[in-house]
This record gives sequence, structure tokens and C-alpha cells, in this order.
Amino acid sequence: DTGVSQDPRHKITKRGQNVTFRCDPISEHNRLYWYRQTLGQGPEFLTYFQNEAQLEKSRLLSDRFSAERPKGSFSTLEIQRTEQGDSAMYLCASSYWTLQETQYFGPGTRLLVL
Amino acid sequence: ELKVEQNPLFLSMQEGKNYTIYCNYSTTSDRLYWYRQDPGKSLESLFVLLSNGAVKQEGRLMASLDTKARLSTLHITAAVHDLSATYFCAVDMGRDDKIIFGKGTRLHILP
Repeated sequence: DTGVSQDPRHKITKRGQNVTFRCDPISEHNRLYWYRQTLGQGPEFLTYFQNEAQLEKSRLLSDRFSAERPKGSFSTLEIQRTEQGDSAMYLCASSYWTLQETQYFGPGTRLLVL
Repeated sequence: ELKVEQNPLFLSMQEGKNYTIYCNYSTTSDRLYWYRQDPGKSLESLFVLLSNGAVKQEGRLMASLDTKARLSTLHITAAVHDLSATYFCAVDMGRDDKIIFGKGTRLHILP
């Protein structure tokens, strides 16, 4: 068990470009979550999957954001036409669904939009 | 509006002292989480609280949940420097904005 991994760890892009982040969850985990965190704030829920199904998506999430989890394993988060306000740390977490569900977080991808 | 409010947001305390962090939330919830985050690091799960009156303890940290008051507390006993971190509570709302985090309490323990 190597934990949750995310790639890349850092990304600098120009406004208007598209970016894609990858998350590899802990292998037996069936749930995968995406969050966004800005400096000095708590993480903001974006979306989550149970296996390959995207079950919920934040009402605050722009249509420029899309996430997939093909085959219920790794997940990708794509941001189209990036804006400076998208600059943040993007965190992925995975869990095995039980009543005592515990989410294990990855190291995050830090995005800077210039 | 769905809200999770923590207080205090910043706490500086001496080693050996006790203190409590409070987490209030605005609507019914399926479960409540406490996390720790060290500077520049990701989040580490501390506790998951499910039911009214739930109490969990790990080392010098103890978390409790009062669902009627919509209040959770994280109590620190005889603080040590290694507990310096930011502590977040998060509430599972069970709908669109599934998990709402508080702003965090930055805890600084002076040796």
C-alpha cells in the first residue's frame, strides 16, 4: 500500500490553457474524492466517485471542471480555459466505503495560473 | 446556507496546557470528521464521529459530538509541541456539497 498519489505535484500554466491532473487511489478503495484548497482555507469539496460512477458534484463547480474515473481505478480532473482564480491546491482522497469511512488524502497538485 | 464554523481560528498555547477547539455546523449531518494538516502537507484523518454522544480519543486528542447542538469539540490534553498544526473539522451534509470543511484552527504550541 503506497498511499494516494497525485501527478503532477506542481503545475504552472497560462490563463486560457487546459490542464489535467491525475489521482491514483489506494488500490482497494472504491471511493475517490476531489477537493480544492486555497491558502488559509479549508478544502472545498468538488466531486466524488463510487467505483466509476460520479455520484455528486458541487453546485459551486464551474462547467469548466470535469472529472472521470474510468474503470473505477485512477481518476482525472480536467480544468478547461483556466482562470487565475483556479490557482489552488487540488487534493484527491480515497476511501473504502463503510460507516466509519476514513478518507486518505494524497499530497496534492499545486496549480498556478499566470 | 450550509456552514461549518470553527473557533478559535488561531490558538497559541504553552506546552502542558489543555484547550478545546469548537466546531459548529448549521444543518443535520451524517457524520463529522476531524483532520490535521501540517504546513505544506496534505490532510491526515484523526476521527470520524457518527452518532450523538460519540467520543473518540487518540493520545492527547479527544473528539466528541453533540448532534442536537450541532457541535463537535476537539480537546487537547497537556499539549506538546508536536501537536502544532492546523486542525479542520468537516461535516458530511449528505447532498450536493457533500462535505463542508471549516476554515481550520491553526494551533501553535510553544515549547
